[in-house]
Amino acid sequence: DQQVKQNSPSLSVQEGRISILNCDYTNSMFDYFLWYKKYPAEGPTFLISISSIKDKNEDGRFTVFLNKSAKHLSLHIVPSQPGDSAVYFCAAPGGAGNMLTFGGGTRLMVKP
Amino acid sequence: DTGVSQDPRHKITKRGQNVTFRCDPISEHNRLYWYRQTLGQGPEFLTYFQNEAQLEKSRLLSDRFSAERPKGSFSTLEIQRTEQGDSAMYLCASSFLQANYGYTFGSGTRLTVV
Repeated sequence: DQQVKQNSPSLSVQEGRISILNCDYTNSMFDYFLWYKKYPAEGPTFLISISSIKDKNEDGRFTVFLNKSAKHLSLHIVPSQPGDSAVYFCAAPGGAGNMLTFGGGTRLMVKP
Repeated sequence: DTGVSQDPRHKITKRGQNVTFRCDPISEHNRLYWYRQTLGQGPEFLTYFQNEAQLEKSRLLSDRFSAERPKGSFSTLEIQRTEQGDSAMYLCASSFLQANYGYTFGSGTRLTVV
């Protein structure tokens, strides 16, 4: 069972515009969420996180929104830059050792 | 400390051979995790260690897989009698128990079984 889902496998955006990446989860026990960015042949790197006690967290061009009632979170990148082109994963820690459960990822392509 | 190191970066092996990967975590991190990522999927949890103790194993970790973390430092992941389905990126991550959610990933080992 996929507890964390990213339903859009890819997204293409023009440079300077907003990128919105979505993530849904089913496990209501999740109380913290993280977004990771991954370039080819590299490991995931941490981008931004949000606790379930908040509905928004902002860090520079990146903002994550959490809608607990809908079990939905989104990552907004404004303005998008070509260097943002990567695969983005949402993840939630839980269970043994707070292991991360990842979504399937969304490949973002920012066109110059 | 330069982060989490994994070796080798790439491994091509023939079906049926054994392979071993190594992960060197951040030195003060006492938790170490192994994940597997296949094409088009997110990383999937395989196993984790707290210090030298292996505390959890995923059902994905068949009996052909074994992981160790002697002395709570580096870790090795061995796959015996490799199969083509084992082809994947194997990722290692570490974290500090008292700093929840501060995971750092290595660059991974790309395994190709031919």
